[in-house]
Amino acid sequence: GQQLNQSPQSMFIQEGEDVSMNCTSSSIFNTWLWYKQDPGEGPVLLIALYKAGELTSNGRLTAQFGITRKDSFLNISASIPSDVGIYFCAGQKGGVILTGGGNKLTFGTGTQLKVEL
Amino acid sequence: DVKVTQSSRYLVKRTGEKVFLECVQDMDHENMFWYRQDPGLGLRLIYFSYDVKMKEKGDIPEGYSVSREKKERFSLILESASTNQTSMYLCASSLNRGGNTIYFGEGSWLTVV
Repeated sequence: GQQLNQSPQSMFIQEGEDVSMNCTSSSIFNTWLWYKQDPGEGPVLLIALYKAGELTSNGRLTAQFGITRKDSFLNISASIPSDVGIYFCAGQKGGVILTGGGNKLTFGTGTQLKVEL
Repeated sequence: DVKVTQSSRYLVKRTGEKVFLECVQDMDHENMFWYRQDPGLGLRLIYFSYDVKMKEKGDIPEGYSVSREKKERFSLILESASTNQTSMYLCASSLNRGGNTIYFGEGSWLTVV
């Protein structure tokens, strides 16, 4: 099955730095999602993007839906220690009307973020 | 708040045992999913269900089966557990409407020895 290419695989940054990660696909998605997973927990949704070119913020997080619909980017500004975790992008092919498995997600391989005080 | 509950957080099973992983959601979601997560591979879809008694194979269904007898419950079954099925298993659910996001449970860590 398809997986999305997510980079970088891991990042080790200083507190206060900005972080960027991206996700690319060989096929088009109609929805892009970014999740964060804390150690030992399930992923939690951070940002959802529904339209090509869309730029959406959630606090210090900003994500963009690429114009080609084949990529997405996540930026974290002024990182803090609790930003530590694994960040996953996910693409969803389903549009407004979903049938069957239109809601299933294809995930990236994850970016492990570590923040140094 | 949506709640997806996985009954077992940590399990240790022997090779050849039959294993049941249970998942319950309380938001009347039509769709339910089972993923497994392995380092460097991200989350891979095993099976999903978009209605009671309906199921479809995901990307890695081999060695697994599922059961959805009630809308709120989706079970993952390992008929004969093997060591390469040692992994973190994540259940998720969503509404069957466009733009709706998928909510995950906390995960079940399965070790097969």
